[in-house]
Amino acid sequence: EVQLVESGGGLVQPGRSLRLSCAASGFTFDDYAMHWVRQAPGKGLEWVSGISWNSGSIGYADSVKGRFTISRDNAKNSLYLQMNSLRAEDTALYYCAKDYYYDSSGSPFDIWGQGTMVTVSS
Amino acid sequence: EIVMTQSPATLSVSPGERATLSCRASQSVSSNLAWYQQKPGQAPRLLIYGASTRATGIPARFSGSGSGTEFTLTISSLQSEDFAVYYCQQYNNWPQLTFGGGTKVEIK
Repeated sequence: EVQLVESGGGLVQPGRSLRLSCAASGFTFDDYAMHWVRQAPGKGLEWVSGISWNSGSIGYADSVKGRFTISRDNAKNSLYLQMNSLRAEDTALYYCAKDYYYDSSGSPFDIWGQGTMVTVSS
Repeated sequence: EIVMTQSPATLSVSPGERATLSCRASQSVSSNLAWYQQKPGQAPRLLIYGASTRATGIPARFSGSGSGTEFTLTISSLQSEDFAVYYCQQYNNWPQLTFGGGTKVEIK
């Protein structure tokens, strides 16, 4: 079964850091680009960051650029999001998502995890 | 950044009726447009990609059309399980992808 399982969320104070992880299984992880998408409580989806299969191409939403860093470890079938200088507006459910197209630079997302909640509050 | 604008924000429809949802891009995204369905407490589910291709397992009552900057998702005859929030997403501008704000389809 193709599966993505996020972890690492929690309650954190403004200005602090948190690292999210996403464990992938059931597919050849290093064939696909991967992404983080977030959803603030009661709000819509916001693409946060994406990374190509070989980490050669990386992108960030303007709202997180310079504060968040995406990375992957293909040997461990894992995706990460290092979040620094966290703000209240970063409070959201963070989803990990997989590209549908193989080895692509531009694809819809066909598999999503269930998300991990990040709450930034003092 | 390409801005995706969805309308209406909320659509009230009776079961069995047709629903038409719109998505507009601030610049051309060719046919690199996807639609997702999200129900409360669930992750989004891919419905349509390439503007008009149904994803695996998606019923034929869902159809997508458009290219460039104007796109439409049509649900031909709404079933009870179709009441949800629908999002469009452009994936033309890698590595900067964007979602629309969503359309909530509710029971009239």
